[in-house]
Formats: sequence, C-alpha cells, structure tokens
Amino acid sequence: ETGVTQTPRHLVMGMTNKKSLKCEQHLGHNAMYWYKQSAKKPLELMFVYSLEERVENNSVPSRFSPECPNSSHLFLHLHTLQPEDSALYLCASSQGSREEIYGYTFGSGTRLTVV
Amino acid sequence: SQQGEEDPQALSIQEGENATMNCSYKTSINNLQWYRQNSGRGLVHLILIRSNEREKHSGRLRVTLDTSKKSSSLLITASRAADTASYFCATSADRGSTLGRLYFGRGTQLTVWP
Repeated sequence: ETGVTQTPRHLVMGMTNKKSLKCEQHLGHNAMYWYKQSAKKPLELMFVYSLEERVENNSVPSRFSPECPNSSHLFLHLHTLQPEDSALYLCASSQGSREEIYGYTFGSGTRLTVV
Repeated sequence: SQQGEEDPQALSIQEGENATMNCSYKTSINNLQWYRQNSGRGLVHLILIRSNEREKHSGRLRVTLDTSKKSSSLLITASRAADTASYFCATSADRGSTLGRLYFGRGTQLTVWP
C-alpha cells in the first residue's frame, strides 16, 4: 500500500449509468489529483485540489465532476460516459506549494470500462 | 507543451546490463522527476532532481539533468528482471505557476530478460 487508496479497482458501467470513484490519503498531504491514463498517450491531468484552490483542466468534459470534501478524500463522479472514456484513472497526492512540487504518491488506479 | 518525452519508447535488455532512458522537455522547469509503473498499477516516485542540480543517485539509479539541452537521463545499473516496468519522466514548471502541475510523457517500456 502506498498510502493512497482508490476504490473500486475495476468498474464496468453502461453509458447511462452514474458512478463515483473514490480516493483516500492519510499521508497529510495538502494536494490531490486525478489523472487519466489511456493506452499510448501521456498521463492527462484532469483536476487538482489543494487547501488553497481547486484547479480544473478546461478540456475535461462536464460528464466528469470532481468533489473534495476534505484534504483526505477525493471523488470523481461519472455520468453518461462514452466508450472513449475507458481508461485507468489514477489518483495522487503530494505535499507542495507554489514554489515547489514534490513527488507524488499514486494510488493503484481504477480500471474503468464503459460499455 | 510542458510534457516530457521519453526515449526510447521501448527498451529490451538482459539481466546485468545497464539501462539508459532519456527525457526531453520544452519549457523551463522547477524540478524533474522519474516514476516507475508496473503493468496496470499506479506510478511510484523514484527520484527528484532540481533545476540547479546536475546529477543525483539513489541505489542503482543515476539521474542526470542538463537544463541547457532541456534533457535528463535515467540510468539503471546491473538491471534485474524485477526492473521490468514503464518509466516516466515528469516536469514541474517554474515557480509562480499554478500549484500542483506535473506533466508526464508517454513513458519508456523497459523489459529485462533473465
């Protein structure tokens, strides 16, 4: 275990379903992230949350909705997804500031398949 | 784009040999980090090198950074079959940028044959 826990590990959902991915960290980090990893593409930063601000990537479709109720928990709410959204979704946390970004700790990911 | 680009895309070697992977990037950085990913798992942080550093060691890993060429290399010495994984470089932008942005490349798939 890395200290960042993601659930579920695998998820198969229909295009009309609504589901949520959960991420939890108990490392005392002050920032959490969602990344999307598709085959043969660079990791795509989707959302960043910190104690100071939430940063969104404007290219992420609105069918993905993040929620960060506190510094230890992060959710990614999914609705009316498309087959091309099938990917490995990775959560990460770090302790950083505007001056320096330290190493990320990643969870094991949720393998999402949209049918 | 701030993304690092790893080279080669795939590398296949025998146990005991050294493996060298390269990373190039385009913009000024605060630091550069290397990560490892086993198939279908999350990424694991290996090493961080700051823009004012030229070389760093950690066990069998050696990382170099050349900011004038905007490039970095990761050397794994005396490789083992267990080193088989994908390796990614990630860049962190200069200070003053939005918090928390690390940009990853597509990675190098390393296979070490016993």
